[in-house]
Order: sequence, then structure tokens, then C-alpha cells
Amino acid sequence: EPEVTQTPSHQVTQMGQEVILRCVPISNHLYFYWYRQILGQKVEFLVSFYNNEISEKSEIFDDQFSVERPDGSNFTLKIRSTKLEDSAMYFCASSLGTTGLEQYFGPGTRLTVT
Amino acid sequence: AQSVTQPDIHITVSEGASLELRCNYSYGATPYLFWYVQSPGQGLQLLLKYFSGDTLVQGIKGFEAEFKRSQSSFNLRKPSVHWSDAAEYFCAVGAGGTSYGKLTFGQGTILTVHP
Repeated sequence: EPEVTQTPSHQVTQMGQEVILRCVPISNHLYFYWYRQILGQKVEFLVSFYNNEISEKSEIFDDQFSVERPDGSNFTLKIRSTKLEDSAMYFCASSLGTTGLEQYFGPGTRLTVT
Repeated sequence: AQSVTQPDIHITVSEGASLELRCNYSYGATPYLFWYVQSPGQGLQLLLKYFSGDTLVQGIKGFEAEFKRSQSSFNLRKPSVHWSDAAEYFCAVGAGGTSYGKLTFGQGTILTVHP
């Protein structure tokens, strides 16, 4: 069964460093998303991406964040200058439908900023 | 703005017992509703969804959920819990239209199953 994959599973970085989290969505899906979950808190929407551009972003998704689909298979989230409060589990998701619903999630990348 | 409340942070049941996990949502229009399950070290797996039509929806692993508009609820049920159902369960509401499927999640309910 097709699935969303994410690498790495765990990333440790120092404050101020840039990180890139990688995702491979399900191959025929058209909508892509990033969510994050700070330990003990809710899963929060960050950004949605369709047709090579951002469709919607939350207030969390400020200028330090960017997303890219560099080729036909990968979808990346870049954090330019990490802060301690960026430590969280980051989930990638993808969906096929024209309304972008019924999202399938990857296993997540745990980002630890020290 | 849409929101989801899962009133129970942690529920413990015995194997073979029935289960009901509560979910209340707030959304101005007809909601799209989902239940996801997360086992340790795993991603979020879709259990079931409600878009329209029959208010009782069936999902994977023997789960079902009932949409009750009058109560703004979408509770998840299972008649007989198995030890492998121990996990964290998330209710989510999705927006259609121009929101491109953004999901808003509840806090999650951790399910412990006693043998």
C-alpha cells in the first residue's frame, strides 16, 4: 500500500541552524501539507501546497519557514534559523481529492533544537 | 474558526469491553470529520471519515463513528476492544472550500487496554 515517507526520523540541531525536513508524498497525490506537534500539545496545521504554490499557511508559518517541491517526488520544509520553540514532531501529509481532504500522514520527523 | 474538543485525555478499558471516545467540534458550515489513530513511533492513520450522507460511518479495525449535528459531536465507538487498539486517538475537522483541506485536531485521547 502506498505511504507517505519522511526523513530523517529524528534531527538534532543547534539554535540558529537551518534544517530541511524531507517528505515523499504518495505518488499520485496533488495536495501536500505540513503539520507539527509540540510535545503534549495538539497537532497544528502549518501549510498546504498545491500546484507548486502555497495554498494556505497558519500564523506559525512565518518567514523562517519555507516549503518546496524540488522535483516530482519530494516535498520539503525548511526552517532557516531554528529556535528552541521549533522543537516538535513534524508531520507531512498528502491527499488526492479536489477538496484536498482525506489526508494521509507520514511517520513524522522529531526535531530537537538545542 | 473551527475547533475540536476531546474531553477525555486518557481512557482505560479492559480487553473485550466496549469503547466510546468523545469528540465535539465547532464549525460554521457542514463539517468534514475524521478520526485518526497514532501508535507509538507511527504516523497518523486514518480510521474513518464523514463527509455527508449516512451519519453512522464505518471505518477500519472495527471502529465506527456517529455524526450528531444537534450535539456537534462525532464520537468514536468500538463494541469490543483488543489489546492492539491501545494508542492515541485524534478527532479532526476539515474545512472545504478555499481552505484547501486544512485539518484542525483535538488534543487527543490516549487509550490504555488492560488484559
